Amino acid sequence: GENVEQHPSTLSVQEGDSAVIKCTYSDSASNYFPWYKQELGKGPQLIIDIRSNVGEKKDQRIAVTLNKTAKHFSLHITETQPEDSAVYFCAASSGYNFNKFYFGSGTKLNVKP
Amino acid sequence: GAGVSQTPSNKVTEKGKYVELRCDPISGHTALYWYRQSLGQGPEFLIYFQGTGAADDSGLPNDRFFAVRPEGSVSTLKIQRTERGDSAVYLCASSPRSDGIQYFGAGTRLSVL
Repeated sequence: GENVEQHPSTLSVQEGDSAVIKCTYSDSASNYFPWYKQELGKGPQLIIDIRSNVGEKKDQRIAVTLNKTAKHFSLHITETQPEDSAVYFCAASSGYNFNKFYFGSGTKLNVKP
Repeated sequence: GAGVSQTPSNKVTEKGKYVELRCDPISGHTALYWYRQSLGQGPEFLIYFQGTGAADDSGLPNDRFFAVRPEGSVSTLKIQRTERGDSAVYLCASSPRSDGIQYFGAGTRLSVL
């Protein structure tokens, strides 16, 4: 099955700086890669996603890049704010079973005011 | 409140007992998923329903775990003879279609003493 690895496990940045979280996956047939944000006591919330036919996608301060050859994808948050502090998870869907998500182990982002 | 609702939010039980966890998906969503999230880890896929049928139950760890969705809306995850290792947050997600975005509930925190 698919194996998704995520790093770093924790990330501390100063408000206004950028944050980058990286994930690798093992199944070359995976074709959908969502990123979720999880705040304490809440369920994961989708913040951005990318499909395998696109190399980059941007939504205001958040962007995701995908390198299918190397089988890795990254989340970029610019101009970080204290409310960005949360745990972020990447995920990949297996190639033929689109809806079965494999999640990374999460990155705890702390944005210091 | 149009989000995914999970009840109870917390469940404490004793080893060997039977528990039921409920999920109310977003109205009209045909796809429903159960995940298990252990402390410090990403969600782990358990089972996926399309309508009333379990389309993929490959993530259920053993036959003590069972889930139903009799009318294609509310789903119940059932765990028999609970073990301490079953302690985790159980998340439910729903989606408007099989390849759509998954929207998560806040989860049920299960503690087996």
